[in-house]
Amino acid sequence: QQQVKQSPQSLIVQKGGIPIINCAYENTAFDYFPWYQQFPGKGPALLIAIRPDVSEKKEGRFTISFNKSAKQFSLHIMDSQPGDSATYFCAASGAGGNEKLTFGTGTRLTIIP
Amino acid sequence: DTEVTQTPKHLVMGMTNKKSLKCEQHMGHRAMYWYKQKAKKPPELMFVYSYEKLSINESVPSRFSPECPNSSLLNLHLHALQPEDSALYLCASSQDLLTEAFFGQGTRLTVV
Repeated sequence: QQQVKQSPQSLIVQKGGIPIINCAYENTAFDYFPWYQQFPGKGPALLIAIRPDVSEKKEGRFTISFNKSAKQFSLHIMDSQPGDSATYFCAASGAGGNEKLTFGTGTRLTIIP
Repeated sequence: DTEVTQTPKHLVMGMTNKKSLKCEQHMGHRAMYWYKQKAKKPPELMFVYSYEKLSINESVPSRFSPECPNSSLLNLHLHALQPEDSALYLCASSQDLLTEAFFGQGTRLTVV
């Protein structure tokens, strides 16, 4: 019930391409879905987050798509750049005893020039 | 200011040492967290403080002892650690338990 499944584990994309990272959750009490970007040796940085009342959210080149019925959400990175190479974690949390962030297993993204 | 500051950045300690990790935020956040992260793994929650009271302890061994002296500071006291405790220790804070969490840069801990 607490799991967040993330795929793929690693992803290599050409510069300018659109990497897509997918996450699926089981706990229907989750109502907050953030994405974190982490560079080696650094802490995770909050990238973008969505709540289930919308199906899509864009911030700059980053877009979250959310499918409540399928219990899935995904991160799309438009016009990807080598500087986007990092590990990306999805996460989920909610009220009623689910306040702690449950993280996905992470996706190591490499953007090649 | 959206910064969570952790000190030290790196720490090497022996198994008999006592050391402390420090975390500070000045965003007025009332929830603060300690996470442990091993290489190529997601952060793993250790402790949560809400309004300066310990609200979640994820069954962490007693050799890790958290302390929240005030609403801006969070400490993690370390004693008699094992080599397998070597990891990146992350502090985070959020407005409350249900809002965005901001992470610090972490303390890279090596136990020898």
